[in-house]
Amino acid sequence: EAQVTQNPRYLITVTGKKLTVTCSQNMNHEYMSWYRQDPGLGLRQIYYSMNVEVTDKGDVPEGYKVSRKEKRNFPLILESPSPNQTSLYFCASSLSAFGSEQYFGPGTRLTVT
Amino acid sequence: AQSVTQPDIHITVSEGASLELRCNYSYGATPYLFWYVQSPGQGLQLLLKYFSGDTLVQGIKGFEAEFKRSQSSFNLRKPSVHWSDAAEYFCAVQNTGGFKTIFGAGTRLFVKA
Repeated sequence: EAQVTQNPRYLITVTGKKLTVTCSQNMNHEYMSWYRQDPGLGLRQIYYSMNVEVTDKGDVPEGYKVSRKEKRNFPLILESPSPNQTSLYFCASSLSAFGSEQYFGPGTRLTVT
Repeated sequence: AQSVTQPDIHITVSEGASLELRCNYSYGATPYLFWYVQSPGQGLQLLLKYFSGDTLVQGIKGFEAEFKRSQSSFNLRKPSVHWSDAAEYFCAVQNTGGFKTIFGAGTRLFVKA
């Protein structure tokens, strides 16, 4: 089954404790992206990747890192999480950067205390 | 600055009534335009998209959208709403000059019996 998977689905952590949210897709998609969803703000793009080893900042990259060492995986790293990073995070992938449908993962709800 | 506006935070319609969700965008050229739906606790699913050609686009689940260049709008419509359409709806744009995706803040649809 074609899908985007994220782990963990739920995470509660403390300020400053490094964490990684994994994202994997099995559709051989070139383009992958991370978003955060906050009430009243919709989805905001954190980082995106056009292909392996090619990443760039979205609109809200501060406090986040990503890497794309393999085509299927695009982990999101919070090296020193803060409470303002409490949010619902979605990973998405698409065949190409332009005009393609994005397939979304189920989301990761992160709480930073 | 590039932006996407969904003026209605929430809308309530009766089952069987027609629906129109508004979306306005601010871009220099015609971007790729999308409508996604998010059911409670789920990721996002593409309803339809537009880039060029016929300005009336048909999507899944009986939805359609009309692109109006003069109004910078891409409104989503459905002639007869079903209770299962209750969800949050997001308009999104991709600028052909870049790789980012911008989402609107979303419109939550409530359907009453």
